[in-house]
Amino acid sequence: AQTVTQSQPEMSVQEAETVTLSCTYDTSESDYYLFWYKQPPSRQMILVIRQEAYKQQNATENRFSVNFQKAAKSFSLKISDSQLGDAAMYFCAYRSSQGGSEKLVFGKGTKLTVNP
Amino acid sequence: KAGVTQTPRYLIKTRGQQVTLSCSPISGHRSVSWYQQTPGQGLQFLFEYFSETQRNKGNFPGRFSGRQFSNSRSEMNVSTLELGDSALYLCASSLEGGGAPDTQYFGPGTRLTVL
Repeated sequence: AQTVTQSQPEMSVQEAETVTLSCTYDTSESDYYLFWYKQPPSRQMILVIRQEAYKQQNATENRFSVNFQKAAKSFSLKISDSQLGDAAMYFCAYRSSQGGSEKLVFGKGTKLTVNP
Repeated sequence: KAGVTQTPRYLIKTRGQQVTLSCSPISGHRSVSWYQQTPGQGLQFLFEYFSETQRNKGNFPGRFSGRQFSNSRSEMNVSTLELGDSALYLCASSLEGGGAPDTQYFGPGTRLTVL
């Protein structure tokens, strides 16, 4: 079974600075998908960024980028120019490419605080 | 386009009762997944439905069940409630699912408290 580990329960960053959230995962599969989701306080979870394992190029979405190290099974999220609205729980998630299922395996999450 | 809606938003039940939660996916979406979110266990996959068929099931006891209707709306039922069932139950929908992943859109959740 796949597992996802987020080793930082909480992180804080100053507004306008850069922060990196860590995620490692364990799988025996060679093809899969990885995601970062954001869950603001009392608001709905939304997709931040995703990465296909077969792509070597790291995904980027505006101020959000990932560092995907397949051999190390590491998938970190970098947030540049942090904004107050970035404060939220961030979840790393894994999805298998096999079995035809949308099932996501989530890490325990990292609570990000942005200080003004 | 309306987002994923879940009803009710809040629910208080007592041990031994049963409860039914509802999820309406985004129009046109055919895949619906359910997750349980607790502070201790985090987000755990319950089950997934596609075209009225259960496509995958998580490691939960048989007290947890679900179904999907022809309009893609989904319900989940928990019978004989236990204190440990207190959680935020999230529903997520996607267009087709199964192949290269479509974006999953999450609902606001139903907060279930078992007393």
